[in-house]
Amino acid sequence: DVKVTQSSRYLVKRTGEKVFLECVQDMDHENMFWYRQDPGLGLRLIYFSYDVKMKEKGDIPEGYSVSREKKERFSLILESASTNQTSMYLCASKEGQGASGNTIYFGEGSWLTVV
Amino acid sequence: GQSLEQPSEVTAVEGAIVQINCTYQTSGFYGLSWYQQHDGGAPTFLSYNALDGLEETGRFSSFLSRSDSYGYLLLQELQMKDSASYFCAHYNQGGKLIFGQGTELSVKP
Repeated sequence: DVKVTQSSRYLVKRTGEKVFLECVQDMDHENMFWYRQDPGLGLRLIYFSYDVKMKEKGDIPEGYSVSREKKERFSLILESASTNQTSMYLCASKEGQGASGNTIYFGEGSWLTVV
Repeated sequence: GQSLEQPSEVTAVEGAIVQINCTYQTSGFYGLSWYQQHDGGAPTFLSYNALDGLEETGRFSSFLSRSDSYGYLLLQELQMKDSASYFCAHYNQGGKLIFGQGTELSVKP
């Protein structure tokens, strides 16, 4: 079974802090994604990566950056956390390039509260 | 732009059949997927339609009409455990997987 592991399930951070959310997948997938999920807004794509050291902006990249130094690991970085970044963050991965390979696998989510 | 529209909530009774619709707008279309998410859990893959027609997987079926930019998820013999949020999603040309806002299904006894 594919496993996508998010290092932190629940975090509380202060405004202005730098926050790292780590995600590791064990199936050698090329593509990895970071979404945030908010009530009534569904899942919104922040960034995605289709290969090591490659990254593409999603629909809401402002205030975030990412790092993909190794194929299995995709990190989401909040350079200076703000209260409007309080949300659940979901990491996902899938095999194949581009739109090929139809199933993506999600981690369990990281609940971030910024106070 | 790219968007997917689905109803925000649907209620049905145990044993019934329910259909969750999804309409989409996209530049470049590579199939429609459906995901299920229980409260507090991660979304899990249900089905995928690359071509027009019906795909059946047990009690769940998914339909796609590319000419109408429309698809639906059909859940039969509803069970209480089917209460969850259901998302339609599609890939665009750049490999971005975009989700709809989700439909919350409540199954009543």
